[in-house]
Amino acid sequence: DAGVIQSPRHEVTEMGQEVTLRCKPISGHNSLFWYRQTMMRGLELLIYFNNNVPIDDSGMPEDRFSAKMPNASFSTLKIQPSEPRDSAVYFCASSLGSFYYGYTFGSGTRLTVV
Amino acid sequence: AQTVTQSQPEMSVQEAETVTLSCTYDTSESDYYLFWYKQPPSRQMILVIRQEAYKQQNATENRFSVNFQKAAKSFSLKISDSQLGDAAMYFCAYRSALANNDMRFGAGTRLTVKP
Repeated sequence: DAGVIQSPRHEVTEMGQEVTLRCKPISGHNSLFWYRQTMMRGLELLIYFNNNVPIDDSGMPEDRFSAKMPNASFSTLKIQPSEPRDSAVYFCASSLGSFYYGYTFGSGTRLTVV
Repeated sequence: AQTVTQSQPEMSVQEAETVTLSCTYDTSESDYYLFWYKQPPSRQMILVIRQEAYKQQNATENRFSVNFQKAAKSFSLKISDSQLGDAAMYFCAYRSALANNDMRFGAGTRLTVKP
């Protein structure tokens, strides 16, 4: 298995632009999580899905952030419009239904908003 | 809400020596899972070891072992025979056994391995 695949690996964009981050979870995993990592706040959960349904989006910072999971093999995290304070590493992770297995993380997308 | 605390922002160890990273957590639940993740400079998050709360026996994975003290809500990671490749950020994480619960992470401990 190729693991959790995220794209792009790096993204540099100008303030005000729309940014879309993509994630392909491991086949068969039915939970998907989006995290944001910064030096100041550490790892923050933004949103997670079970069986493609959003369960908890209380971590989404504001309306500028949105996430979708149209099918079991694809998810997007969109920021519109982007701001410099959105600069961070964004991780996608997936998990089997059993909590024993923990998460498998993607390699992350480093977003820089200038 | 459950919280995870890693009180050591940084630790260092001499190559081939042993080091212990601390983690405590706060929960009112009795059934849960605990994890240690490693994040090297490549930034990939790698699962190191896991522990089920209902198991009294401490988990081990080669040079990595945990000291799980359920009553004290403590979950420390011991790395034996430290290697240069062990240098990384280490995150402790808690996951409830209840359905639809996400994983909570500590702030991390940066481990430096000195040659």
